[in-house]
Amino acid sequence: SQQGEEDPQALSIQEGENATMNCSYKTSINNLQWYRQNSGRGLVHLILIRSNEREKHSGRLRVTLDTSKKSSSLLITASRAADTASYFCATAAFTGTASKLTFGTGTRLQVTL
Amino acid sequence: GAVVSQHPSRVICKSGTSVKIECRSLDFQATTMFWYRQFPKQSLMLMATSNEGSKATYEQGVEKDKFLINHASLTLSTLTVTSAHPEDSSFYICSADTGRNSPLHFGNGTRLTVT
Repeated sequence: SQQGEEDPQALSIQEGENATMNCSYKTSINNLQWYRQNSGRGLVHLILIRSNEREKHSGRLRVTLDTSKKSSSLLITASRAADTASYFCATAAFTGTASKLTFGTGTRLQVTL
Repeated sequence: GAVVSQHPSRVICKSGTSVKIECRSLDFQATTMFWYRQFPKQSLMLMATSNEGSKATYEQGVEKDKFLINHASLTLSTLTVTSAHPEDSSFYICSADTGRNSPLHFGNGTRLTVT
Protein backbone atom coordinates (compact mmCIF):
# COMPACT_ATOMS: atom_id res chain seq x y z
CA SER A 1 0.00 0.00 0.00
CA GLN A 2 1.12 3.52 -0.65
CA GLN A 3 2.66 5.05 2.44
CA GLY A 4 3.83 8.50 1.50
CA GLU A 5 2.14 11.46 0.00
CA GLU A 6 4.32 13.99 -1.72
CA ASP A 7 3.57 17.52 -2.62
CA PRO A 8 3.59 19.19 -4.91
CA GLN A 9 2.84 16.53 -7.52
CA ALA A 10 4.55 18.71 -10.10
CA LEU A 11 6.89 21.66 -9.79
CA SER A 12 8.24 23.92 -12.52
CA ILE A 13 11.03 26.37 -11.74
CA GLN A 14 13.76 28.26 -13.52
CA GLU A 15 17.39 27.36 -13.38
CA GLY A 16 19.07 28.85 -10.35
CA GLU A 17 15.98 28.76 -8.18
CA ASN A 18 15.51 26.44 -5.23
CA ALA A 19 13.08 23.51 -5.31
CA THR A 20 11.36 22.17 -2.21
CA MET A 21 9.45 18.91 -2.11
CA ASN A 22 7.53 17.58 0.86
CA CYS A 23 6.72 14.07 1.93
CA SER A 24 4.29 12.87 4.57
CA TYR A 25 3.91 9.34 5.84
CA LYS A 26 1.66 7.44 8.20
CA THR A 27 3.49 4.85 10.27
CA SER A 28 6.72 4.55 12.24
CA ILE A 29 9.88 4.33 10.20
CA ASN A 30 13.48 3.27 10.64
CA ASN A 31 14.77 5.68 8.04
CA LEU A 32 13.55 7.76 5.13
CA GLN A 33 15.22 7.91 1.77
CA TRP A 34 14.97 10.16 -1.26
CA TYR A 35 15.43 8.88 -4.79
CA ARG A 36 15.52 10.45 -8.19
CA GLN A 37 14.18 8.89 -11.38
CA ASN A 38 14.78 10.09 -14.89
CA SER A 39 12.02 9.21 -17.32
CA GLY A 40 11.93 5.50 -18.13
CA ARG A 41 14.92 4.68 -15.98
CA GLY A 42 15.67 3.11 -12.63
CA LEU A 43 15.99 5.01 -9.39
CA VAL A 44 19.09 6.70 -8.09
CA HIS A 45 19.58 7.08 -4.37
CA LEU A 46 20.09 10.65 -3.15
CA ILE A 47 20.03 10.77 0.64
CA LEU A 48 19.14 8.50 3.55
CA ILE A 49 18.15 10.06 6.85
CA ARG A 50 17.71 7.94 9.93
CA SER A 51 14.75 8.28 12.25
CA ASN A 52 16.92 9.85 14.96
CA GLU A 53 18.34 12.49 12.61
CA ARG A 54 16.69 15.81 11.86
CA GLU A 55 18.68 17.20 8.96
CA LYS A 56 21.18 16.00 6.42
CA HIS A 57 23.11 17.63 3.61
CA SER A 58 24.70 16.32 0.45
CA GLY A 59 26.06 18.86 -2.00
CA ARG A 60 23.10 20.98 -3.16
CA LEU A 61 20.63 18.72 -1.39
CA ARG A 62 19.21 19.26 2.07
CA VAL A 63 16.80 16.86 3.70
CA THR A 64 14.87 17.39 6.90
CA LEU A 65 12.90 14.88 8.91
CA ASP A 66 10.26 15.58 11.54
CA THR A 67 9.13 12.30 13.02
CA SER A 68 6.59 14.01 15.28
CA LYS A 69 4.80 15.33 12.21
CA LYS A 70 5.70 12.30 10.11
CA SER A 71 7.06 14.49 7.38
CA SER A 72 10.23 15.14 5.42
CA SER A 73 11.36 17.70 2.92
CA LEU A 74 13.94 17.73 0.16
CA LEU A 75 15.48 21.04 -0.86
CA ILE A 76 17.51 21.34 -4.02
CA THR A 77 19.40 24.62 -4.11
CA ALA A 78 20.56 26.47 -7.21
CA SER A 79 18.71 24.09 -9.49
CA ARG A 80 20.00 23.11 -12.91
CA ALA A 81 18.24 21.87 -16.01
CA ALA A 82 19.85 18.48 -15.36
CA ASP A 83 17.87 18.24 -12.09
CA THR A 84 14.71 17.71 -14.15
CA ALA A 85 13.37 14.34 -12.99
CA SER A 86 10.85 12.72 -10.67
CA TYR A 87 11.74 12.65 -7.00
CA PHE A 88 10.40 10.05 -4.59
CA CYS A 89 10.58 9.71 -0.87
CA ALA A 90 10.58 6.20 0.54
CA THR A 91 10.08 5.06 4.09
CA ALA A 92 12.03 2.09 5.35
CA ALA A 93 10.88 -0.62 7.71
CA PHE A 94 13.31 -3.30 8.74
CA THR A 95 12.37 -6.88 7.90
CA GLY A 96 14.94 -9.26 9.28
CA THR A 97 18.29 -8.14 7.90
CA ALA A 98 16.74 -6.24 4.98
CA SER A 99 15.05 -2.89 4.64
CA LYS A 100 11.66 -2.79 2.94
CA LEU A 101 10.86 0.49 1.21
CA THR A 102 7.46 2.00 0.57
CA PHE A 103 7.47 4.82 -1.93
CA GLY A 104 5.61 8.08 -1.95
CA THR A 105 3.61 9.43 -4.84
CA GLY A 106 6.50 11.46 -6.24
CA THR A 107 7.12 15.01 -7.39
CA ARG A 108 7.86 15.74 -11.04
CA LEU A 109 10.36 18.56 -11.18
CA GLN A 110 10.90 20.57 -14.35
CA VAL A 111 13.80 23.02 -14.39
CA THR A 112 13.81 25.39 -17.33
CA LEU A 113 16.62 27.54 -18.65
CA GLY B 1 29.64 1.20 -5.92
CA ALA B 2 26.97 -1.48 -5.93
CA VAL B 3 25.64 -2.12 -9.42
CA VAL B 4 22.43 -3.91 -10.31
CA SER B 5 21.93 -5.07 -13.86
CA GLN B 6 18.41 -5.72 -15.11
CA HIS B 7 17.70 -7.42 -18.41
CA PRO B 8 16.01 -6.98 -20.80
CA SER B 9 15.40 -3.25 -20.78
CA ARG B 10 12.48 -3.58 -23.16
CA VAL B 11 10.39 -6.52 -24.24
CA ILE B 12 7.32 -6.87 -26.40
CA CYS B 13 5.43 -10.13 -26.24
CA LYS B 14 2.16 -11.55 -27.42
CA SER B 15 -0.74 -12.16 -25.11
CA GLY B 16 -0.56 -15.60 -23.52
CA THR B 17 3.20 -15.94 -23.60
CA SER B 18 5.58 -15.76 -20.65
CA VAL B 19 8.40 -13.32 -20.12
CA LYS B 20 11.39 -13.63 -17.83
CA ILE B 21 13.17 -10.62 -16.38
CA GLU B 22 16.57 -10.99 -14.76
CA CYS B 23 18.07 -8.91 -11.99
CA ARG B 24 21.75 -9.36 -11.14
CA SER B 25 23.92 -7.79 -8.51
CA LEU B 26 27.25 -7.40 -10.26
CA ASP B 27 29.77 -6.64 -7.55
CA PHE B 28 28.05 -7.66 -4.35
CA GLN B 29 25.85 -10.37 -2.95
CA ALA B 30 22.21 -9.68 -2.29
CA THR B 31 20.33 -11.96 0.07
CA THR B 32 17.22 -9.92 -0.52
CA MET B 33 15.93 -8.32 -3.70
CA PHE B 34 12.69 -6.46 -4.24
CA TRP B 35 10.49 -6.31 -7.33
CA TYR B 36 8.44 -3.21 -8.06
CA ARG B 37 5.93 -2.29 -10.70
CA GLN B 38 5.38 1.23 -11.95
CA PHE B 39 2.58 2.59 -14.12
CA PRO B 40 3.16 5.73 -16.20
CA LYS B 41 3.61 8.84 -14.09
CA GLN B 42 2.89 6.90 -10.93
CA SER B 43 4.90 5.68 -8.01
CA LEU B 44 6.54 2.31 -7.46
CA MET B 45 4.38 -0.42 -6.02
CA LEU B 46 6.16 -3.24 -4.24
CA MET B 47 5.17 -6.57 -5.72
CA ALA B 48 7.29 -9.01 -3.76
CA THR B 49 10.36 -9.57 -1.66
CA SER B 50 12.73 -12.14 -3.08
CA ASN B 51 14.91 -14.05 -0.63
CA GLU B 52 17.81 -16.20 -1.74
CA GLY B 53 17.09 -19.88 -1.22
CA SER B 54 13.52 -19.45 -0.06
CA LYS B 55 10.09 -18.56 -1.37
CA ALA B 56 9.29 -15.01 -2.24
CA THR B 57 6.96 -12.96 -0.09
CA TYR B 58 4.22 -11.35 -2.16
CA GLU B 59 2.36 -8.17 -1.33
CA GLN B 60 -1.37 -8.25 -0.95
CA GLY B 61 -3.15 -8.38 -4.27
CA VAL B 62 -0.18 -9.69 -6.25
CA GLU B 63 -0.83 -13.07 -7.85
CA LYS B 64 2.09 -15.33 -7.02
CA ASP B 65 1.15 -17.84 -9.73
CA LYS B 66 1.23 -15.11 -12.32
CA PHE B 67 4.41 -13.38 -11.19
CA LEU B 68 6.89 -16.16 -10.46
CA ILE B 69 9.98 -15.11 -8.57
CA ASN B 70 13.09 -17.20 -8.23
CA HIS B 71 16.17 -16.19 -6.25
CA ALA B 72 18.45 -19.13 -6.82
CA SER B 73 21.74 -17.44 -6.00
CA LEU B 74 23.04 -14.47 -4.07
CA THR B 75 23.49 -12.50 -7.29
CA LEU B 76 20.44 -13.37 -9.36
CA SER B 77 16.70 -12.98 -8.97
CA THR B 78 14.25 -13.54 -11.80
CA LEU B 79 10.66 -12.44 -12.31
CA THR B 80 8.60 -14.42 -14.80
CA VAL B 81 5.31 -12.94 -15.95
CA THR B 82 3.29 -15.98 -16.95
CA SER B 83 0.49 -15.98 -19.52
CA ALA B 84 0.91 -12.27 -20.01
CA HIS B 85 -2.04 -10.07 -20.86
CA PRO B 86 -2.15 -6.46 -22.05
CA GLU B 87 -2.97 -5.28 -18.53
CA ASP B 88 0.41 -6.65 -17.41
CA SER B 89 2.10 -4.04 -19.59
CA SER B 90 4.10 -1.91 -17.23
CA PHE B 91 7.56 -0.90 -16.07
CA TYR B 92 9.11 -3.49 -13.76
CA ILE B 93 12.07 -2.54 -11.57
CA CYS B 94 14.19 -4.68 -9.31
CA SER B 95 16.34 -3.57 -6.43
CA ALA B 96 18.92 -5.22 -4.22
CA ASP B 97 19.21 -4.74 -0.51
CA THR B 98 22.62 -4.09 1.04
CA GLY B 99 21.54 -4.09 4.65
CA ARG B 100 19.69 -2.02 7.15
CA ASN B 101 20.15 1.73 7.01
CA SER B 102 21.65 1.35 3.57
CA PRO B 103 20.01 2.46 0.34
CA LEU B 104 18.55 0.06 -2.17
CA HIS B 105 20.35 -0.31 -5.46
CA PHE B 106 18.05 -0.35 -8.44
CA GLY B 107 18.24 -1.87 -11.86
CA ASN B 108 17.31 0.30 -14.84
CA GLY B 109 13.94 -1.34 -15.21
CA THR B 110 12.18 -3.38 -17.88
CA ARG B 111 9.47 -1.93 -20.06
CA LEU B 112 7.04 -4.77 -20.81
CA THR B 113 4.49 -4.36 -23.57
CA VAL B 114 1.98 -7.14 -24.11
CA THR B 115 0.15 -7.01 -27.43
